[in-house]
Amino acid sequence: NAGVTQTPKFRVLKTGQSMTLLCAQDMNHEYMYWYRQDPGMGLRLIHYSVGEGTTAKGEVPDGYNVSRLKKQNFLLGLESAAPSQTSVYFCASSYSSGGAIEQFFGPGTRLTVL
Amino acid sequence: GENVEQHPSTLSVQEGDSAVIKCTYSDSASNYFPWYKQELGKGPQLIIDIRSNVGEKKDQRIAVTLNKTAKHFSLHITETQPEDSAVYFCAAGFGNEKLTFGTGTRLTIIP
Repeated sequence: NAGVTQTPKFRVLKTGQSMTLLCAQDMNHEYMYWYRQDPGMGLRLIHYSVGEGTTAKGEVPDGYNVSRLKKQNFLLGLESAAPSQTSVYFCASSYSSGGAIEQFFGPGTRLTVL
Repeated sequence: GENVEQHPSTLSVQEGDSAVIKCTYSDSASNYFPWYKQELGKGPQLIIDIRSNVGEKKDQRIAVTLNKTAKHFSLHITETQPEDSAVYFCAAGFGNEKLTFGTGTRLTIIP
């Protein structure tokens, strides 16, 4: 079991460029999440998905889009990167339990936007 | 929405002493309170959690206490060891399966 994996691990973009971050999980989890982590601000939810084909906005969704075409994958897209999107991005997944439950996190992607 | 505050932001303790991290939450509907440990360069990992029908939970050197009336919960680490040095996050969640995280505590164990 690889758990939750993220691709790439590091990326440097110029302002205005686009990119997609890939998250994959092999635990057959229904729920998947994208967070960003900034110094002094903890983990903030960007978007999440409660199942294949569904997505929903989190706390800080502006400037990001997501897709969940397959149950095991959750993609985070930046259409036009801005320096304010410099951050460490974490993907997480959890199984559906009818209530809040443990989330399993990936190793993170460090993104720098120049 | 839920708001979780965490204190202190940094904490240094001598090896062998105890460490306590405190969190408060705002939404009385929250019923799940996990604690995550994040080591350098890695993703957060669950170390202990508690649900609202329980006041205290222990797992070896780690314990969590919950006061629902006051809306606060705490992480206690006893007999601290160098490998306990990390960033710790509290979180609160309820039926929609989203978690709201605190801002983190950087714990340093001094040998």
